[in-house]
Amino acid sequence: DTGVSQDPRHKITKRGQNVTFRCDPISEHNRLYWYRQTLGQGPEFLTYFQNEAQLEKSRLLSDRFSAERPKGSFSTLEIQRTEQGDSAMYLCASSLVSSSGHGYTFGSGTRLTVV
Amino acid sequence: AQKVTQAQTEISVVEKEDVTLDCVYETRDTTYYLFWYKQPPSGELVFLIRRNSFDEQNEISGRYSWNFQKSTSSFNFTITASQVVDSAVYFCALSEARGGKLIFGQGTELSVKP
Repeated sequence: DTGVSQDPRHKITKRGQNVTFRCDPISEHNRLYWYRQTLGQGPEFLTYFQNEAQLEKSRLLSDRFSAERPKGSFSTLEIQRTEQGDSAMYLCASSLVSSSGHGYTFGSGTRLTVV
Repeated sequence: AQKVTQAQTEISVVEKEDVTLDCVYETRDTTYYLFWYKQPPSGELVFLIRRNSFDEQNEISGRYSWNFQKSTSSFNFTITASQVVDSAVYFCALSEARGGKLIFGQGTELSVKP
């Protein structure tokens, strides 16, 4: 297992279109997180899953955003009716939370440009 | 509410200089975790260190060292004898629960010139 994979790396879409991103976490990790990072800012938390259960959603996650992790493995993040303000890097991370500790591994991100 | 502040937006140093990146955090919890990440131009966040709130020992890893002071809610990061390869954006982050969401600071862009 080579780490957290995100697909695609880059996406250019027209305003109003729907887009979907995929994240494949490290296989033995039980938690999966989505963050959004705009230019010059730190990553902002969007949502996270414990296995297939979505445990927390940020207020940033408007009703145009939906995330799923149907089988507790990979996750998808869909943005409907994209707006120019959605242009950002979308980062996925995974973590194995256990009694011995925890750590977060990030993917390389999907850069979304809405034109 | 939890918050992480990195007051230095950009720092520029000449190779071999020492540099300290500041991080101040806010949390109401007594148990929390602090992190530093490096983000090179490629964009991937690279883990550097995790520290829990009960461990105030300073840590040194090669040219990197971290100073955690609960009294001032600070978790500063020092690079000794900086190198051009250290050029990146560095983020400090806070988690209030094991495996919970990370709250990131705004980041400090470090530029090390030869």
